[in-house]
Amino acid sequence: NAGVTQTPKFQVLKTGQSMTLQCAQDMNHEYMSWYRQDPGMGLRLIHYSVGAGITDQGEVPNGYNVSRSTTEDFPLRLLSAAPSQTSVYFCASSYSRGGEATQYFGPGTRLTVL
Amino acid sequence: AQSVSQHNHHVILSEAASLELGCNYSYGGTVNLFWYVQYPGQHLQLLLKYFSGDPLVKGIKGFEAEFIKSKFSFNLRKPSVQWSDTAEYFCAVKVTGSQGNLIFGKGTKLSVKP
Repeated sequence: NAGVTQTPKFQVLKTGQSMTLQCAQDMNHEYMSWYRQDPGMGLRLIHYSVGAGITDQGEVPNGYNVSRSTTEDFPLRLLSAAPSQTSVYFCASSYSRGGEATQYFGPGTRLTVL
Repeated sequence: AQSVSQHNHHVILSEAASLELGCNYSYGGTVNLFWYVQYPGQHLQLLLKYFSGDPLVKGIKGFEAEFIKSKFSFNLRKPSVQWSDTAEYFCAVKVTGSQGNLIFGKGTKLSVKP
């Protein structure tokens, strides 16, 4: 198993540009989520999905869109990038949203918005 | 709203010193508890977890944590740190029966001097 994969690893955008961060998992996990990590802030939840076709907002959803058309993929879209979105983005997945499910994290995407 | 507090922002130790990192959460119900570690430039890896049973849990690399329900705490310990333990450590809480979302503390950076 490749686990949770993310592309790209690094990205530089100009203000106003759009892009999609890709996340995929090959573990048939039901639950997937996106976090952003900023210095001194820990990880904050952006959006999450409890299954294909079902998504919901987390703590900091503004400026981001998600969709979940398949179990494997959970892309994060920035429609109009802003410098405040400069961060490291992590995707995570687990086999279930509840119970004793453990979340596994991808390697991250480091995004800089100029 | 639930929150997780990690008391120390940056801890500096010499090799062979003992380590204890504090974690407290604010939620009166049943929780699942996690410690994740992030080595420099890498993604988050699960160090250990608590779901139920023995409140003293052992994780990888000689780490352990004790869940004290009355104190809402889940402190991480290691009797003798090594230079390779230099990393950032995150405590996280999942409220049982919730959507499965993790709430992270802001992290504690551990620097071990050789």
